[in-house]
Amino acid sequence: EAGVAQSPRYKIIEKRQSVAFWCNPISGHATLYWYQQILGQGPKLLIQFQNNGVVDDSQLPKDRFSAERLKGVDSTLKIQPAKLEDSAVYLCASSPMGNDRGGVKTQYFGPGTRLLVL
Amino acid sequence: AQKVTQAQTEISVVEKEDVTLDCVYETRDTTYYLFWYKQPPSGELVFLIRRNSFDEQNEISGRYSWNFQKSTSSFNFTITASQVVDSAVYFCALSRGSLAPGRRALTFGSGTRLQVQP
Repeated sequence: EAGVAQSPRYKIIEKRQSVAFWCNPISGHATLYWYQQILGQGPKLLIQFQNNGVVDDSQLPKDRFSAERLKGVDSTLKIQPAKLEDSAVYLCASSPMGNDRGGVKTQYFGPGTRLLVL
Repeated sequence: AQKVTQAQTEISVVEKEDVTLDCVYETRDTTYYLFWYKQPPSGELVFLIRRNSFDEQNEISGRYSWNFQKSTSSFNFTITASQVVDSAVYFCALSRGSLAPGRRALTFGSGTRLQVQP
């Protein structure tokens, strides 16, 4: 079974530029998450989709970040305009519709996109 | 509010030593889920284990074992006879049981970097 795919793996941009990241979840996984991981910290949730609907975007800086999952499969995360503090790894994760044993969803992560804003 | 604390920023051991990674959590939920993930240098978060709050049985999987103690709000991870390939950043994470399954994003600790020297 193929894992979560993300591209690009690395991106370097200058502040105030725009950037977009792409994620393709594991086939059949209804829930998709975008996390931001700043160097030396644990990942922090930005946005969560259930199929093509947003479940939680309370921590997404909506003045500059946007995300969509139009057909309920792959997703894009955009930053416009980028700031220096956006330098981080952006992780995409997915989980299946149903729960694993014990009533919990296990999330499976992609390799991440490492963003450097100069 | 939920919080996960991993007080050990970095641990260095020599191969074949046993090592324990500490995790302390805070939550007001009576039902919750705990996870450990491994992040090797490649950057991808690899799922290791999940534990439900109502199941305090400790678990062993090969060289890995987990000690869950609700009385001290801890979920510690022990690697027996460590190997160089165990070198990675390890994250403990918490998911709220009071939310609907589709809304249970993870709250991560800041991670513990484990270096196993040959």
